[in-house]
Amino acid sequence: QPVVTQEPSLTVSPGGTVTLTCSSSIGAVTSDLSPNWFQQKPGQAPRPLIYYTSNKHSWTPARFSGSLLGDKAALTLSPVQPEDEADYYCLVFYGGRHQWVFGGGTKLTVL
Amino acid sequence: QVHLVQSGAEVKRPGASVKLSCKASGYIFTDYGIHWVRQAPGQGLEWIGWIHPGSAETRYSPKSQGRITIARDTSATSVYLDLNNLQTEDTAVYFCTREAPGSRNYDYWGQGSLVTVSS
Repeated sequence: QPVVTQEPSLTVSPGGTVTLTCSSSIGAVTSDLSPNWFQQKPGQAPRPLIYYTSNKHSWTPARFSGSLLGDKAALTLSPVQPEDEADYYCLVFYGGRHQWVFGGGTKLTVL
Repeated sequence: QVHLVQSGAEVKRPGASVKLSCKASGYIFTDYGIHWVRQAPGQGLEWIGWIHPGSAETRYSPKSQGRITIARDTSATSVYLDLNNLQTEDTAVYFCTREAPGSRNYDYWGQGSLVTVSS
């Protein structure tokens, strides 16, 4: 089973910029793996932010953007707002195995 | 308006089984895959399985294979998750989410169903 890795925690100041990454144990994360990003706040269901690497949902704030950074998927927030403090998860799809795998999540603190 | 409404909380003894439901409305039920995702207390998200309601094709995570069954009832526009031989480590909130066809886009989520396994 592939393992998807994210930074366990990051801290950023309001108004700043932060990039979260998502890597795979079995190779580069490419658009073929259709990386998705979700935001989750305590007691809530995950909220979809980005699909297929860089596409935003209609409700996704403009300050969120998805991309590929080297061999990883990336989620960039700029400028960061206090309400962006949350857990963020990436999800990738291993088509050859027909398996979906979540990253371990990044706890983002806005301080 | 798209809605995924899940069944309520369950408390079960170890070794028991539980059946969770996810009722879909507001879209063509057989066009969108449904995934089940769980989250143990204080832990991250874990993908456990998928069904295509149109074909009833299923896929399970290696960890879940053999312990869960996902099924659908097209007349009820509902997807079901059966978990058997429950263990305390199955205590989690279980979410369903739909996948838009051809886009790997998981746009709508259910509210979650808490399953507590305790002796």
